[in-house]
Amino acid sequence: AQRVTQPEKLLSVFKGAPVELKCNYSYSGSPELFWYVQYSRQRLQLLLRHISRESIKGFTADLNKGETSFHLKKPFAQEEDSAMYYCALKYGNKLVFGAGTILRVKS
Amino acid sequence: DTAVSQTPKYLVTQMGNDKSIKCEQNLGHDTMYWYKQDSKKFLKIMFSYNNKELIINETVPNRFSPKSPDKAHLNLHINSLELGDSAVYFCASSPGLDPYEQYFGPGTRLTVT
Repeated sequence: AQRVTQPEKLLSVFKGAPVELKCNYSYSGSPELFWYVQYSRQRLQLLLRHISRESIKGFTADLNKGETSFHLKKPFAQEEDSAMYYCALKYGNKLVFGAGTILRVKS
Repeated sequence: DTAVSQTPKYLVTQMGNDKSIKCEQNLGHDTMYWYKQDSKKFLKIMFSYNNKELIINETVPNRFSPKSPDKAHLNLHINSLELGDSAVYFCASSPGLDPYEQYFGPGTRLTVT
Protein backbone atom coordinates (compact mmCIF):
# COMPACT_ATOMS: atom_id res chain seq x y z
CA ALA A 1 0.00 0.00 0.00
CA GLN A 2 1.14 3.51 -0.65
CA ARG A 3 2.46 5.29 2.39
CA VAL A 4 4.56 8.31 3.28
CA THR A 5 6.59 8.32 6.45
CA GLN A 6 8.11 11.35 8.09
CA PRO A 7 9.88 9.92 11.13
CA GLU A 8 10.51 13.19 12.92
CA LYS A 9 7.64 15.05 14.47
CA LEU A 10 9.87 17.98 15.41
CA LEU A 11 13.25 19.07 14.16
CA SER A 12 14.99 21.88 15.97
CA VAL A 13 18.16 23.47 14.58
CA PHE A 14 20.14 26.64 15.03
CA LYS A 15 20.18 29.38 12.43
CA GLY A 16 22.89 28.71 9.87
CA ALA A 17 22.95 24.97 10.53
CA PRO A 18 22.14 22.45 7.80
CA VAL A 19 18.65 21.02 7.70
CA GLU A 20 17.43 17.65 6.52
CA LEU A 21 13.79 16.71 6.81
CA LYS A 22 13.34 13.03 6.21
CA CYS A 23 10.70 11.45 4.03
CA ASN A 24 10.37 7.82 3.03
CA TYR A 25 7.68 6.37 0.83
CA SER A 26 6.17 3.06 -0.02
CA TYR A 27 4.78 2.77 -3.53
CA SER A 28 4.98 0.06 -6.15
CA GLY A 29 4.72 2.33 -9.17
CA SER A 30 6.84 5.20 -10.41
CA PRO A 31 6.61 7.77 -7.62
CA GLU A 32 5.88 11.43 -7.94
CA LEU A 33 6.73 13.27 -4.74
CA PHE A 34 6.26 16.74 -3.34
CA TRP A 35 7.01 18.86 -0.35
CA TYR A 36 4.36 21.18 1.02
CA VAL A 37 4.94 23.82 3.68
CA GLN A 38 2.68 25.62 6.11
CA TYR A 39 4.11 28.74 7.74
CA SER A 40 2.52 30.11 10.88
CA ARG A 41 -0.89 31.61 10.13
CA GLN A 42 -0.54 30.86 6.44
CA ARG A 43 -2.03 28.28 4.14
CA LEU A 44 -0.49 25.01 3.20
CA GLN A 45 1.36 25.56 -0.07
CA LEU A 46 3.48 23.63 -2.51
CA LEU A 47 7.20 24.05 -1.89
CA LEU A 48 8.68 21.81 -4.56
CA ARG A 49 8.16 18.68 -6.61
CA HIS A 50 10.79 16.15 -7.49
CA ILE A 51 10.11 16.27 -11.22
CA SER A 52 11.11 19.92 -11.51
CA ARG A 53 14.43 19.32 -9.71
CA GLU A 54 14.53 22.96 -8.68
CA SER A 55 15.68 24.78 -5.58
CA ILE A 56 13.03 26.82 -3.82
CA LYS A 57 14.00 29.15 -0.96
CA GLY A 58 17.30 27.30 -0.82
CA PHE A 59 15.61 23.92 -0.33
CA THR A 60 16.27 20.92 -2.54
CA ALA A 61 15.00 17.37 -2.49
CA ASP A 62 16.32 14.42 -4.43
CA LEU A 63 14.34 11.32 -5.13
CA ASN A 64 16.32 8.22 -4.19
CA LYS A 65 14.44 5.22 -5.53
CA GLY A 66 16.91 2.76 -4.04
CA GLU A 67 16.28 4.06 -0.54
CA THR A 68 12.68 5.10 -1.34
CA SER A 69 13.42 8.50 0.11
CA PHE A 70 12.77 12.13 -0.77
CA HIS A 71 14.53 14.08 1.96
CA LEU A 72 14.30 17.86 2.00
CA LYS A 73 17.58 19.67 2.53
CA LYS A 74 18.88 23.15 3.02
CA PRO A 75 22.54 23.95 3.72
CA PHE A 76 21.95 26.93 6.01
CA ALA A 77 18.69 27.25 7.91
CA GLN A 78 17.03 30.63 8.35
CA GLU A 79 14.57 31.63 11.06
CA GLU A 80 11.90 32.19 8.44
CA ASP A 81 12.13 28.52 7.50
CA SER A 82 10.32 27.62 10.72
CA ALA A 83 7.12 25.90 9.62
CA MET A 84 5.34 22.59 9.27
CA TYR A 85 6.59 20.54 6.33
CA TYR A 86 4.62 17.76 4.68
CA CYS A 87 5.96 15.23 2.25
CA ALA A 88 3.36 13.95 -0.21
CA LEU A 89 3.09 11.18 -2.77
CA LYS A 90 0.85 11.41 -5.79
CA TYR A 91 -1.36 8.33 -6.02
CA GLY A 92 -3.80 8.48 -8.88
CA ASN A 93 -5.91 11.58 -8.47
CA LYS A 94 -4.93 12.22 -4.89
CA LEU A 95 -2.02 13.12 -2.67
CA VAL A 96 -1.03 10.92 0.23
CA PHE A 97 0.59 13.03 2.92
CA GLY A 98 3.04 12.12 5.60
CA ALA A 99 2.38 13.08 9.20
CA GLY A 100 4.41 16.27 8.87
CA THR A 101 7.54 17.59 10.55
CA ILE A 102 7.70 20.84 12.46
CA LEU A 103 10.93 22.65 11.75
CA ARG A 104 12.06 25.16 14.38
CA VAL A 105 15.02 27.32 13.59
CA LYS A 106 16.48 28.93 16.68
CA SER A 107 18.52 32.11 16.68
CA ASP B 1 -8.05 38.37 -3.43
CA THR B 2 -8.76 35.17 -1.58
CA ALA B 3 -8.20 32.17 -3.81
CA VAL B 4 -9.79 29.47 -1.65
CA SER B 5 -12.01 30.57 1.18
CA GLN B 6 -13.77 28.60 3.89
CA THR B 7 -16.54 29.53 6.29
CA PRO B 8 -16.66 29.46 9.17
CA LYS B 9 -13.09 29.66 10.38
CA TYR B 10 -14.01 28.27 13.79
CA LEU B 11 -16.95 26.09 14.70
CA VAL B 12 -17.77 24.91 18.20
CA THR B 13 -20.75 22.66 18.57
CA GLN B 14 -22.17 19.87 20.68
CA MET B 15 -22.28 16.17 20.01
CA GLY B 16 -25.23 15.09 17.96
CA ASN B 17 -25.62 18.35 16.08
CA ASP B 18 -25.52 18.72 12.30
CA LYS B 19 -23.21 21.34 10.80
CA SER B 20 -21.91 22.50 7.45
CA ILE B 21 -18.64 23.99 6.31
CA LYS B 22 -18.52 25.93 3.07
CA CYS B 23 -15.70 26.29 0.58
CA GLU B 24 -15.41 28.54 -2.43
CA GLN B 25 -12.61 29.03 -4.93
CA ASN B 26 -12.27 31.86 -7.42
CA LEU B 27 -9.40 30.35 -9.38
CA GLY B 28 -11.52 28.78 -12.07
CA HIS B 29 -10.28 25.34 -11.02
CA ASP B 30 -12.15 22.20 -11.96
CA THR B 31 -11.29 20.06 -8.96
CA MET B 32 -11.92 20.62 -5.26
CA TYR B 33 -10.97 18.59 -2.20
CA TRP B 34 -11.73 18.17 1.46
CA TYR B 35 -9.03 17.13 3.91
CA LYS B 36 -9.10 16.38 7.61
CA GLN B 37 -6.15 17.28 9.80
CA ASP B 38 -6.38 15.53 13.14
CA SER B 39 -4.91 16.53 16.49
CA LYS B 40 -1.57 14.97 15.55
CA LYS B 41 -1.46 17.13 12.39
CA PHE B 42 -1.95 14.11 10.16
CA LEU B 43 -3.52 15.33 6.90
CA LYS B 44 -5.83 12.93 5.09
CA ILE B 45 -8.01 13.36 2.05
CA MET B 46 -11.72 12.78 2.45
CA PHE B 47 -13.36 13.72 -0.84
CA SER B 48 -12.71 15.33 -4.14
CA TYR B 49 -14.98 16.62 -6.89
CA ASN B 50 -14.18 17.38 -10.49
CA ASN B 51 -16.72 19.59 -12.28
CA LYS B 52 -19.31 18.73 -9.64
CA GLU B 53 -18.69 15.00 -10.00
CA LEU B 54 -17.44 12.96 -7.05
CA ILE B 55 -14.13 11.32 -7.95
CA ILE B 56 -12.55 10.51 -4.61
CA ASN B 57 -14.49 9.17 -1.66
CA GLU B 58 -12.19 7.83 0.99
CA THR B 59 -13.23 5.66 3.89
CA VAL B 60 -15.22 8.30 5.68
CA PRO B 61 -18.33 7.75 7.83
CA ASN B 62 -21.48 8.38 5.84
CA ARG B 63 -22.34 11.09 8.35
CA PHE B 64 -20.08 13.20 6.14
CA SER B 65 -21.70 14.31 2.92
CA PRO B 66 -20.03 16.63 0.43
CA LYS B 67 -22.08 18.74 -1.93
CA SER B 68 -20.89 20.62 -4.96
CA PRO B 69 -23.55 22.96 -6.34
CA ASP B 70 -21.12 24.21 -8.97
CA LYS B 71 -17.45 23.76 -9.66
CA ALA B 72 -16.51 26.81 -7.59
CA HIS B 73 -18.11 25.48 -4.42
CA LEU B 74 -17.69 22.36 -2.35
CA ASN B 75 -19.51 22.18 0.94
CA LEU B 76 -19.16 19.59 3.66
CA HIS B 77 -22.14 18.61 5.75
CA ILE B 78 -21.67 16.54 8.88
CA ASN B 79 -24.56 14.83 10.62
CA SER B 80 -24.70 13.66 14.22
CA LEU B 81 -21.35 15.13 15.17
CA GLU B 82 -19.07 13.07 17.39
CA LEU B 83 -16.13 14.01 19.59
CA GLY B 84 -13.76 12.34 17.13
CA ASP B 85 -14.85 14.73 14.40
CA SER B 86 -12.95 17.51 16.14
CA ALA B 87 -10.22 18.50 13.72
CA VAL B 88 -9.17 21.13 11.24
CA TYR B 89 -10.86 20.67 7.88
CA PHE B 90 -9.08 22.02 4.82
CA CYS B 91 -10.56 22.68 1.45
CA ALA B 92 -8.32 22.79 -1.62
CA SER B 93 -8.62 23.13 -5.36
CA SER B 94 -6.51 22.25 -8.37
CA PRO B 95 -6.77 23.21 -12.03
CA GLY B 96 -7.54 19.70 -13.24
CA LEU B 97 -7.43 16.13 -12.09
CA ASP B 98 -3.70 16.26 -11.37
CA PRO B 99 -3.66 16.82 -7.62
CA TYR B 100 -0.20 18.22 -7.18
CA GLU B 101 -0.82 21.93 -7.71
CA GLN B 102 -3.41 22.30 -5.01
CA TYR B 103 -4.31 25.61 -3.48
CA PHE B 104 -5.45 25.24 0.09
CA GLY B 105 -7.95 27.19 2.09
CA PRO B 106 -7.19 28.56 5.56
CA GLY B 107 -8.92 25.68 7.33
CA THR B 108 -11.94 25.39 9.59
CA ARG B 109 -11.27 24.34 13.16
CA LEU B 110 -14.18 22.21 14.32
CA THR B 111 -14.51 21.49 18.02
CA VAL B 112 -17.18 19.07 19.17
CA THR B 113 -17.96 19.18 22.88
